[in-house]
Amino acid sequence: ETGVTQTPRHLVMGMTNKKSLKCEQHLGHNAMYWYKQSAKKPLELMFVYNFKEQTENNSVPSRFSPECPNSSHLFLHLHTLQPEDSALYLCASSQDARAGGYTFGSGTRLTVV
Amino acid sequence: GENVEQHPSTLSVQEGDSAVIKCTYSDSASNYFPWYKQELGKRPQLIIDIRSNVGEKKDQRIAVTLNKTAKHFSLHITETQPEDSAVYFCAASRNNAGNMLTFGGGTRLMVKP
Repeated sequence: ETGVTQTPRHLVMGMTNKKSLKCEQHLGHNAMYWYKQSAKKPLELMFVYNFKEQTENNSVPSRFSPECPNSSHLFLHLHTLQPEDSALYLCASSQDARAGGYTFGSGTRLTVV
Repeated sequence: GENVEQHPSTLSVQEGDSAVIKCTYSDSASNYFPWYKQELGKRPQLIIDIRSNVGEKKDQRIAVTLNKTAKHFSLHITETQPEDSAVYFCAASRNNAGNMLTFGGGTRLMVKP
């Protein structure tokens, strides 16, 4: 483990379901991120939290709702998703919001049916 | 916003040969350029990074070069080995925009034994 843990690893959900993805980091970092990785597309930034404050929402549809209760935990709440939302959702953390390397989690492979 | 282009999308080399992956970026204010390696089914991992105050950085068989004037940077892998086979992503960010990495589309490197 690199210190960033994501659960669940795999998730299959219907379009009317509500589910949540969880990310936890044990590195003492202050910034956390959600990225979406689809086949044949670049990693797409979704949300940025710095010291628990959301600093970026990259035009993400409202069916994705992030929550950051503290600097160690990050959630992504999902509801009424579409099949095109199927992807690998990666959480990452870094020391703070200044430039620096990310540590990624292993991701949640989401399939919307 | 920042736009990062990465080429080639796939690269096949013979074991022992060198591999070069190139990226261009659009935002002249970008000042941090990391490279990530993602093996099949695994998380992206930082392998090397460079900041805009240097032109080249090496770490054993891996090197990165940066040309700020031309706004491009490259990853060089020498004496490639089968375990170098993976997808490589370049990224760019700038300090005053928070640590929001914009990723290139990725290069699938295949090293044939």
